[in-house]
Amino acid sequence: QKEVEQDPGPLSVPEGAIVSLNCTYSNSAFQYFMWYRQYSRKGPELLMYTYSSGNKEDGRFTAQVDKSSKYISLFIRDSQPSDSATYLCAMSPYNFNKFYFGSGTKLNVKP
Amino acid sequence: DARVTQTPRHKVTEMGQEVTMRCQPILGHNTVFWYRQTMMQGLELLAYFRNRAPLDDSGMPKDRFSAEMPDATLATLKIQPSEPRDSAVYFCASGFGPVSGESEKLFFGSGTQLSVL
Repeated sequence: QKEVEQDPGPLSVPEGAIVSLNCTYSNSAFQYFMWYRQYSRKGPELLMYTYSSGNKEDGRFTAQVDKSSKYISLFIRDSQPSDSATYLCAMSPYNFNKFYFGSGTKLNVKP
Repeated sequence: DARVTQTPRHKVTEMGQEVTMRCQPILGHNTVFWYRQTMMQGLELLAYFRNRAPLDDSGMPKDRFSAEMPDATLATLKIQPSEPRDSAVYFCASGFGPVSGESEKLFFGSGTQLSVL
């Protein structure tokens, strides 16, 4: 079993929809939680990061962490066609010796 | 605009040939990661350097893969001999060390698309 599980999708939504992307993990040592966005034929780019449990908002994006359930989410409000990409969750223990990535969820926002 | 530079962007080679991929991390970053991405496995960590010293290469097939940082501006990943199963996109990422206050930020290059025939 992988340490980070993520539904690969694909997920297809109409423009303006609220999107929910999720990851589960098994290692309770993970302290830092990140979301990366990867466009086709590009490298992943950091979208948001958060430490420990709680919510963090940045514009249309909200990252949520529930450490008790070992479950993290990324919400995208008012989704746009430009949000079409693969979204990867990533996690790290406190010492950042390794970043553990989910396999990515491919999102398609239809105009 | 600081970015991680990887060369070549694409490489097509025949089985048994040597492949060398290069990475120039962002100036000032002291950690460098090599990842391999495939549809089946997603992002797999191959090797990790901090201050040019290899800290973890447990994800790398030792018999054919090698990773080095000859200086702070260059990281290399070498495959010899290459096999068709090595076909994947190889990413280099760099970042600050764990005491920097920005440890969670990894910056990826655009990758090297490797095809081994």
